[in-house]
Amino acid sequence: QVQLVQSGAEVKKSGASVKVSCKASGYIFSSYEIHWVRQATGQGLEWMGWMNPNSGNTDYAQKFQGRVNMTRNTSINTAYMELSSLRSEDTAIYYCARGDSVSGYGFHYYWGQGTLVTVSS
Amino acid sequence: DIQMTQSPSSLSASVGDRVTITCRASQSISSYLNWYQQKPGKAPKLLIYAASSLQGRVPSRFSGSGSGTDFTLTISSLQPEDFATYSCQQSYSTPWTFGQGTKVEIK
Repeated sequence: QVQLVQSGAEVKKSGASVKVSCKASGYIFSSYEIHWVRQATGQGLEWMGWMNPNSGNTDYAQKFQGRVNMTRNTSINTAYMELSSLRSEDTAIYYCARGDSVSGYGFHYYWGQGTLVTVSS
Repeated sequence: DIQMTQSPSSLSASVGDRVTITCRASQSISSYLNWYQQKPGKAPKLLIYAASSLQGRVPSRFSGSGSGTDFTLTISSLQPEDFATYSCQQSYSTPWTFGQGTKVEIK
């Protein structure tokens, strides 16, 4: 069965960087995009960007341009999301989600369990 | 970026009620609209994609409609397990923006 398993919770200081991993299993890793979505406590979902594990191509939301880097290691079927210059507003649960589609309509069916990133001053 | 606006932000309803949540896009997104259900401490769960296509394991009391800029999620008879937060998402163009969510609470 398809699974996305994320790394554990992180506590970081303002200005630092965090790197969250997302290990995929149960499908051909290079065949599906990996998207990243975050959610601050009590807030809505916020789409951050996606990465093509086959090519390494990425597409980031403008809000995160220059601060986010999505990469992958195909030998271990793992995607990574690194966010730099952390500030308190980045405190959130970060989810990876597979980019699925039917007839060209994209959606997220499979999600990781989420990784809590806490940024403290 | 395409802005997605949901209404209401929250609602109180009783078991058996018919519930309707709306989502409006800031520009036409054809039928590129998804609905998710999220319970506390859990990842979102896909309910509907392409505006009206029910994901395979979702009960038929859930339905979606609309195209262009206006969309609706309807729960025909609210069940105890349906109390959750519902979010829309457009996948017409990146960034795949979400609505702010609608919390469905027990009356």
